[in-house]
Amino acid sequence: GQQVMQIPQYQHVQEGEDFTTYCNSSTTLSNIQWYKQRPGGHPVFLIQLVKSGEVKKQKRLTFQFGEAKKNSSLHITATQTTDVGTYFCATGSGNTGKLIFGQGTTLQVKP
Amino acid sequence: DVKVTQSSRYLVKRTGEKVFLECVQDMDHENMFWYRQDPGLGLRLIYFSYDVKMKEKGDIPEGYSVSREKKERFSLILESASTNQTSMYLCASSSWGNTDTQYFGPGTRLTVL
Repeated sequence: GQQVMQIPQYQHVQEGEDFTTYCNSSTTLSNIQWYKQRPGGHPVFLIQLVKSGEVKKQKRLTFQFGEAKKNSSLHITATQTTDVGTYFCATGSGNTGKLIFGQGTTLQVKP
Repeated sequence: DVKVTQSSRYLVKRTGEKVFLECVQDMDHENMFWYRQDPGLGLRLIYFSYDVKMKEKGDIPEGYSVSREKKERFSLILESASTNQTSMYLCASSSWGNTDTQYFGPGTRLTVL
């Protein structure tokens, strides 16, 4: 079945450094959603991308959807301790409402 | 704001017990989901429901069953709990269509002794 591979699994950065997580698929994706889960919390929706080559920004976060709609990335500029957590990408599966989640990238930020 | 609530944040049960995890959403969403989350394995779908009394198996349904008698409520049942079902269980809901955001509950940390 459809899968999305997310890398890296873990990332430790110094506060102020940039961070990027990647989401890749062997098949064309209809959409990509990104979620953030704070330690001890639950996943919270960040954004959705649906168009080829789409780029969206939320303050220091930049989300991209590849031209071929087979990959996506989330880039955080100048990380802060509040960015700590696990970031998941997810894509729709058929017309069922199901989402296929990537494995997640856990970000730790050293102050 | 969408609210998804789960009956317990922490639960400790013994092997062989029947366990009920309850999830309620207040946004009239058609879809509801049960996931389990384990370190390094991400979110794995156990079951989902797209309408009252309708359900479909997810990726790891073995050892679990579900019930959806009312639109707002989706229950996960462990018929005979085992230690390998110790995990974080997350409920989510969404409106119809695969482009719709899923809203998650706070999770239930289940420990089976």
